Order: sequence, then structure tokens, then C-alpha cells
Amino acid sequence: NAGVTQTPKFQVLKTGQSMTLQCAQDMNHNSMYWYRQDPGMGLRLIYYSASEGTTDKGEVPNGYNVSRLNKREFSLRLESAAPSQTSVYFCASSELGQQFFGPGTRLTVL
Amino acid sequence: GQQVMQIPQYQHVQEGEDFTTYCNSSTTLSNIQWYKQRPGGHPVFLIQLVKSGEVKKQKRLTFQFGEAKKNSSLHITATQTTDVGTYFCAGITDSWGKLQFGAGTQVVVTP
Repeated sequence: NAGVTQTPKFQVLKTGQSMTLQCAQDMNHNSMYWYRQDPGMGLRLIYYSASEGTTDKGEVPNGYNVSRLNKREFSLRLESAAPSQTSVYFCASSELGQQFFGPGTRLTVL
Repeated sequence: GQQVMQIPQYQHVQEGEDFTTYCNSSTTLSNIQWYKQRPGGHPVFLIQLVKSGEVKKQKRLTFQFGEAKKNSSLHITATQTTDVGTYFCAGITDSWGKLQFGAGTQVVVTP
């Protein structure tokens, strides 16, 4: 039981490049989330998916897109990376309230 | 803007001492959750409180949900070096319906 896995662990991009962050969970949870964590800001919700086939914007969705590929996988795409998107990105899944987080992706945009 | 506020932002504690971190919301929360994140790690769920005035204990940790369901506290007794990390509260506000995290209290323990 791996829980929530994320790839890659680290990534450096140049401004304007695109990339997709991958997330998968093996707990059969319906809900999945993408957060970004910046110093002094806590975790801010980017997008979430309440179930397979549905996605909704969170608090800070601008500059991001998501895909809920199936019940297990929820990906986050940066179409044209900007330095303001330098952050640590966490994927999470939940059932009955408690959220389980992946190990995170540390992204730097130069 | 951030509706869930945590104080203090930083807490330096001598090993063996007690401390409390507080979480306040401008709106009523349907529930409150607490998470712990070790340095370099990811948030890990500690507990969820749902009822007004609820108090729950986990060994040296005591969690409380306010009567008005707008505030919560985490009290740690006899702090140990294993308590190092950032403690986040997160609440579901009626106005948004999604879990909103506070900025966290970073705890440093001095041996």
C-alpha cells in the first residue's frame, strides 16, 4: 500500500516551459486535491476532484489545469510556467474528511 | 483572503515545557482538522473535531474545538524533540465548503 505517490520529486523549469505533475493513490478514494505550499502561507488549494470525471477550481487555479484520468490518478499541468509558480506542490486524497498527502514535488521556475 | 488564522507563527520551546497553538476563523467551521508536517516532509493528519466544545487527547497532545466553532487549540505537554515540525489547523467554512488551511505554527524544540 503506497498511499499517495507523486512524480517527479524535484523539477527545475525555465519561464514559459510546460510540465505535468503526476499523482496517484491506491486507497480507492473518490476525492483528490492539488495544493501549493509557500513559506508563511500554509497550503492553498489549486484544484480538486470530488469524483472521477469531475474537477473544480480551488483558491488559486490561475495558470494551472488538471485532469482526473481515472479514480486513481489526478494530474496537474502548468502550460507556461512563471517564477511565481515556484513552490512545493502536494497532491492529496480523502475519504470521510481525513486527507492523505503525497510526498510533494519541489518546483523551481527560473 | 485567508479566513483561518493561526498564532503564533513560530514557537521556540525548551524540551519538557508545555505550549499551546491557536487557530481562529472569521466564520463558523463545520469541523476542524489538525495536521503535522515534519521538516522536509508532507502534512500528516492528526485529528478531526466536529462538535462544539469537543476535547480530544492523543498522549501528550490535547485538541479543543471552541463552543462557537470558530476557534481551536492544540496543547502539547512535556515537549519532546520529536514534536519538532509545523502544525496546521484546517477547517471547512460554511461559506466555501472546502478545507482551508491556516499558515501553520512552526515549532522548534531546544534540548
